[in-house]
Amino acid sequence: RKEVEQDPGPFNVPEGATVAFNCTYSNSASQSFFWYRQDCRKEPKLLMSVYSSGNEDGRFTAQLNRASQYISLLIRDSKLSDSATYLCVVAGDSSYKLIFGSGTRLLVRP
Amino acid sequence: EPEVTQTPSHQVTQMGQEVILRCVPISNHLYFYWYRQILGQKVEFLVSFYNNEISEKSEIFDDQFSVERPDGSNFTLKIRSTKLEDSAMYFCASSSPGLLNNEQFFGPGTRLTVL
Repeated sequence: RKEVEQDPGPFNVPEGATVAFNCTYSNSASQSFFWYRQDCRKEPKLLMSVYSSGNEDGRFTAQLNRASQYISLLIRDSKLSDSATYLCVVAGDSSYKLIFGSGTRLLVRP
Repeated sequence: EPEVTQTPSHQVTQMGQEVILRCVPISNHLYFYWYRQILGQKVEFLVSFYNNEISEKSEIFDDQFSVERPDGSNFTLKIRSTKLEDSAMYFCASSSPGLLNNEQFFGPGTRLTVL
């Protein structure tokens, strides 16, 4: 089983749509969870950390289910500028190293 | 807003040559990292560095790789004898344990091409 698994997509949605991405991770002892976005040939940029209680930042909502080892990201009212690859990232149980999923590609069309 | 910087943005080298990739982490951060991303693949952890020593390294980080913090601002990755398969984007990142969740911030990367 992959350490962090994501649907590669692409998700092709119209502007204004709501889109959800899911991710599963294999190490139940993982402590920290993140969503990063990556534009083509650019660095990963932190979108948000994910907390057990769920958290929201504007149009973005992240959820964590530790029992199912499942992380989600919801994007509401999609903008053209949201087109990117969304990376599900998990930090190890006793280290700070980040373990990346392969990413889910989002295309927002006019 | 403070950011991680990296130089050069693109490095082309011949197989067997040594390369040094440079990074300037965010100034008050204490943890430093190198990751790499081969074209079309996921980002992979190479090494973490804290208090002037390696705290963790991956299987990729073999004897050909080394890291150094030569002064108070720079953090370098050296590849002693490059191989074709070292061609990748190399990202430096930094974090501060005082930050909630120890969030890591990435530099723009150095594209290494080994011919």
